[in-house]
Amino acid sequence: GAGVSQSPRYKVAKRGQDVALRCDPISGHVSLFWYQQALGQGPEFLTYFQNEAQLDKSGLPSDRFFAERPEGSVSTLKIQRTQQEDSAVYLCASSSRQGAPNTEAFFGQGTRLTVV
Amino acid sequence: DAKTTQPTSMDCAEGRAANLPCNHSTISGNEYVYWYRQIHSQGPQYIIHGLKNNETNEMASLIITEDRKSSTLILPHATLRDTAVYYCILERAGRRALTFGSGTRLQVQP
Repeated sequence: GAGVSQSPRYKVAKRGQDVALRCDPISGHVSLFWYQQALGQGPEFLTYFQNEAQLDKSGLPSDRFFAERPEGSVSTLKIQRTQQEDSAVYLCASSSRQGAPNTEAFFGQGTRLTVV
Repeated sequence: DAKTTQPTSMDCAEGRAANLPCNHSTISGNEYVYWYRQIHSQGPQYIIHGLKNNETNEMASLIITEDRKSSTLILPHATLRDTAVYYCILERAGRRALTFGSGTRLQVQP
């Protein structure tokens, strides 16, 4: 497909379980972003990659959250020991430029994580 | 970073123009105005952006006041598929991520 692909679309985890969320960006896109969106709110920035380098992880809410993009394409967001407050939609976006403001970001449909 | 103020919700009749306002009275000279929308159960979608000139593309027009303290997104002929939350976002050059607020929930009525 031509768009950003995220998997799984839905994930139910028991509290304390580890989860891994996958993002396949648009081929050739340099920049990749992860956002967290709680119910009824706008997306909030988590972390940013330029190729394989994680240049900004200021939005990660705790050290239980970890993201990687080892080969500069596919990215994985991992959440360890999930808590109920981690329940949200996790969105991935990619763009073709190095974070320049005058480019559009393409978002995936997101992964809805529910921690029970 | 400057903040934006948008109405919480708006209605628009199908086929009419939808005018979505955004106030950004503390905008800095190097901050761009971006608009994204999010249709239910989908990721946000880029619509348009501008710095100080009015912009138009196949989706919408962006009108920025001369003092840049406010802007309006115009959907010229709204359809039911335009029902979504619309986000007005300010981002400066060099900033890597978008800062979303609460947006305006636009409901297009048949």
